[in-house]
Amino acid sequence: KAGVTQTPRYLIKTRGQQVTLSCSPISGHRSVSWYQQTPGQGLQFLFEYFSETQRNKGNFPGRFSGRQFSNSRSEMNVSTLELGDSALYLCASSLVAGISSGANVLTFGAGSRLTVL
Amino acid sequence: QKEVEQDPGPLSVPEGAIVSLNCTYSNSAFQYFMWYRQYSRKGPELLMYTYSSGNKEDGRFTAQVDKSSKYISLFIRDSQPSDSATYLCASNFNKFYFGSGTKLNVKP
Repeated sequence: KAGVTQTPRYLIKTRGQQVTLSCSPISGHRSVSWYQQTPGQGLQFLFEYFSETQRNKGNFPGRFSGRQFSNSRSEMNVSTLELGDSALYLCASSLVAGISSGANVLTFGAGSRLTVL
Repeated sequence: QKEVEQDPGPLSVPEGAIVSLNCTYSNSAFQYFMWYRQYSRKGPELLMYTYSSGNKEDGRFTAQVDKSSKYISLFIRDSQPSDSATYLCASNFNKFYFGSGTKLNVKP
C-alpha cells in the first residue's frame, strides 16, 4: 500500500514568489491535513480538508491556502513568500475527519522542504 | 494553554538506558493517544497508540496513559542508537493535537 506522497521534496524560492505543494494521500483516505514544522515552533497545524471542504484552519495568514480535489489529492499554496516561511511542510492523511479512533490515525508524508532566500 | 504539552528535551542517554518521555493534556474528551517518531529530515511515523487509560506494550516500547492526571508517557527499554529521533505525542478530538516533540539522543 503506497504511503502519503508529497512533491516536490525540496525547493528553493525567493521572497515575494509563490509556491504550490502537492500531496497524494493513502488510497482510501479522505482527510488531508497540512502542517508546518520549524525547529523553533515545532509542528503547527495549517488546515484540514475532507471531501473537498476545509474543516479546520490554523492560525496562519491568508497567504497560506489549500484545496482538495475529488480524488482526495490536496495542494497548498503560499503566496508572497517571506523568509520566515522556510520550513518543512508536512501533509498527513487519515480515513475520515473528526472521528477519534485507533483506526483513524494520521499517516504523514516525508514532507516538502521549502527554503526562501 | 496548549491542548498537549510535552517536555521539550533534548534528552541524551547511554545505550541500554530506560527512556521516559512525557506529555500532559488538558482536554478531558481525549480518548486516543498516539506517539510518533520522527527521524531527521523525515516525516513523523506512527509508533503506537493507546485508548483511554492503561498500558500498551510493543517490543521495547510501552505507552502509558493516566487519564486521572491527564498524563501520557512513552517508555523505551534497552534504548539503542537507532532510537535517536524526535518523539511527538498526540491526541485527536475533532482534529489532531500534537506536543512540541522531545529530541532523544542515544549514545553508543
